[in-house]
Amino acid sequence: DADVTQTPRNRITKTGKRIMLECSQTKGHDRMYWYRQDPGLGLRLIYYSFDVKDINKGEISDGYSVSRQAQAKFSLSLESAIPNQTALYFCATSDSDGSEQFFGPGTRLTVL
Amino acid sequence: GNSVTQMEGPVTLSEEAFLTINCTYTATGYPSLFWYVQYPGEGLQLLLKATKADDKGSNKGFEATYRKETTSFHLEKGSVQVSDSAVYFCALRGAAGNKLTFGGGTRVLVKP
Repeated sequence: DADVTQTPRNRITKTGKRIMLECSQTKGHDRMYWYRQDPGLGLRLIYYSFDVKDINKGEISDGYSVSRQAQAKFSLSLESAIPNQTALYFCATSDSDGSEQFFGPGTRLTVL
Repeated sequence: GNSVTQMEGPVTLSEEAFLTINCTYTATGYPSLFWYVQYPGEGLQLLLKATKADDKGSNKGFEATYRKETTSFHLEKGSVQVSDSAVYFCALRGAAGNKLTFGGGTRVLVKP
């Protein structure tokens, strides 16, 4: 079984809809991250969490929110989706050293 | 702030050719440097890393040397295979050690 899982893997939605992307991990890591990937822009950090009570904004947090429900679960919400949020979204985890991040398979989100 | 610049792709090669992907960075202090690889339809996975100047990271025939004097971490492989077709990301973790900054990614296509 995969160590980092994301659901759904693909989602098509309409402008204005609320969307939640979920991430679960079995690696026992405290640190979890949400990134979005756009062609030519690499990965950009949306939010990160170093433990259940710690949530931090990344470089592109506007229009997004997160919830760390447990050590193993970190969800990303788009309260009112817009077309420029169409992207590939990745969840990642790391231990407290942070020297290696482990990525989920990604969620492809399309906002029409 | 920290930034990573890598050569734009796509890079198209024949099998057994030599591969170089250039990566330069801007950071304060002494960052750790990483190469991640993303195979089609998958999340990113760590390929190699180097944590101090003059360190050489290596894995699966790939190598990269941390050059502080030129702020570079170029990825090389002497003889590529079709299975090396992927997107390669250079990344750094700053001295604060809390998150990664990624380059834009370089797509590599190896033809038989």
